Amino acid sequence: NAGVMQNPRHLVRRRGQEARLRCSPMKGHSHVYWYRQLPEEGLKFMVYLQKENIIDESGMPKERFSAEFPKEGPSILRIQQVVRGDSAAYFCASSPRTSGGNAEQYFGPGTRLTVT
Amino acid sequence: GESVGLHLPTLSVQEGDNSIINCAYSNSASDYFIWYKQESGKGPQFIIDIRSNMDKRQGQRVTVLLNKTVKHLSLQIAATQPGDSAVYFCAESTGFQKLVFGTGTRLLVSP
Repeated sequence: NAGVMQNPRHLVRRRGQEARLRCSPMKGHSHVYWYRQLPEEGLKFMVYLQKENIIDESGMPKERFSAEFPKEGPSILRIQQVVRGDSAAYFCASSPRTSGGNAEQYFGPGTRLTVT
Repeated sequence: GESVGLHLPTLSVQEGDNSIINCAYSNSASDYFIWYKQESGKGPQFIIDIRSNMDKRQGQRVTVLLNKTVKHLSLQIAATQPGDSAVYFCAESTGFQKLVFGTGTRLLVSP
């Protein structure tokens, strides 16, 4: 059973370009979460999605950032017009469908974005 | 606002010793807590979790203790090994499964 997959693992973008980060959850998992991590810091929640729905985007910057989890295909985190401050590791996590209780979140290996 | 913090940024132990990593949380409404291990260049790896209706849970070589009175969480690692060297994060669940992470404690295990 493959774990959470993210690609690319490393992404270099120039200021003003767009960055697209992809996440394929574990098989059978319908909940996806995106987190951002700066060096030597903890992960910061960005957005929580289920298939075709954004459930909680309270951690997303108001501009330039968007996320989707379509019915088919991976979840996408999109950053438009990147700036140097966007350089970070972006992690995706998935968890299985629950009836409202808590469930483990399994993390992917992350995408390390560098903005030059 | 909500915060999850750690008392010790770096913990150095000898191989074979027991390690204790501590965490304080501020949201008394949190009902689910997780410890993750993160090695350099990798994603967080689930270690153990605990719900707020429990005060202790044991896994293989690890134990998590929860003290809701003082809002304190700890991770105990028995017979620490060099492979345990990593950064350890505690996280709390708020609302609908969103995790709030602490800043991390680096565990260094000397052979």
